[in-house]
This record gives sequence, structure tokens and C-alpha cells, in this order.
Amino acid sequence: DAKTTQPTSMDCAEGRAANLPCNHSTISGNEYVYWYRQIHSQGPQYIIHGLKNNETNEMASLIITEDRKSSTLILPHATLRDTAVYYCIVRVGRGSTLGRLYFGRGTQLTVWP
Amino acid sequence: GAVVSQHPSRVICKSGTSVKIECRSLDFQATTMFWYRQFPKQSLMLMATSNEGSKATYEQGVEKDKFLINHASLTLSTLTVTSAHPEDSSFYICSARRGVKTQYFGPGTRLLVL
Repeated sequence: DAKTTQPTSMDCAEGRAANLPCNHSTISGNEYVYWYRQIHSQGPQYIIHGLKNNETNEMASLIITEDRKSSTLILPHATLRDTAVYYCIVRVGRGSTLGRLYFGRGTQLTVWP
Repeated sequence: GAVVSQHPSRVICKSGTSVKIECRSLDFQATTMFWYRQFPKQSLMLMATSNEGSKATYEQGVEKDKFLINHASLTLSTLTVTSAHPEDSSFYICSARRGVKTQYFGPGTRLLVL
């Protein structure tokens, strides 16, 4: 599976956009980029995923570079409740390990009032 | 999003006893569920993949006789920690795959072995 690299921590002011980067330079053509977040002592929460095109839903936007070697998760108007560890995961699209998610260390996002 | 529940949310047991944790997908059927473990200040570690009606697939280094997984229906998978020891104390989290692309996670079960 392709590995991902994320900054260990980031800060963001409440109400501002939070832009969380992720590098996945060894990603293969059939591998999806997934984002989850984990608030302390809870199970991870699905945010968004994409393959090639940019994606947007009610929680966030996902921008994937044309070469697919990196992506950015955008929370357009961060709130205090967005404080969490954000995980960028590259998931194999087919084969014996289909569906398995291997978590890295993620980025601790702290939103300040 | 889809709802996945776990029971119990926390459990304390004596060393040497077995503990069963249930994972249910409440509003969808899941042919595949996953079990993770998370130690304090660490990331989630995938333990095993649970497929309905067949044997679970364990990740390297995870003892299948220690962590028994049963996926008897499309909405229920169970993880039994057999002969638990203090080093098994951890946060156990399950997830269920909805369709082919997205996994939804349960709230986790905190296990403390005394």
C-alpha cells in the first residue's frame, strides 16, 4: 500500500479555513485517497474520499493534484468541534487487501477560539 | 453517515478471563467488517478482516487463537479476547464496509485487564 506523509500538527483559528496537506507520492492508479478524523476517545469518522477528481461534501472538500501525488483536505469554516486527529489514507482498490485501511499517525488539528 | 455500534463501551476484567466485544451495523448490511486496536497516543492498528460466513483474515503478528473473530450475520461481528492479560488493555474499534468503498467505524470499546 502507498504510504502517506502528513504534518504532525496544525493550528487554525475558528471560522477560518483549515487546509490539511497529505503527500502520497507512491500512489498507484487504482488507489483511492480517504480522509478520516478521530476526536479523542471516539471511533474515526469518515470525511471524504476521491480517486482523481476533486470532491466536495457537506463536511469538507478534497483537492487532489493532477499527478495524484498529494492532496489537501479543506474544512472551509473550522469550528472548535473540528479539533481532532485527521488521517489521510491511501486504500487499495482491488485484490486480496481490498477495503483495508492502514492508518498512519495523522495530523492533530487544533482549532483556537 | 451509516451507524455502527459496539458493545460494551468499556469493560474491566480480571487477568485470565475472556471478553467478548460486539460490533453491529445498524442500518446497512456489511459483508466485511474490520477490527482495530489503538494504544494510548498511538494510531489505529488493523488486527483482522472479518468476512461474513468465512474465516477472518489476520494481520501479521496478530494471534488468531488469542483474538477470536466470528462474523455470523451481515450485521454482527464479534471479537473475543481469550485469556486476557494486562498487555491486552487497549481501545478496540470495529468498522463495517458499506458497499465497496466506504468504511464506517464504531465508537470503540475500552478494555482494561487487571
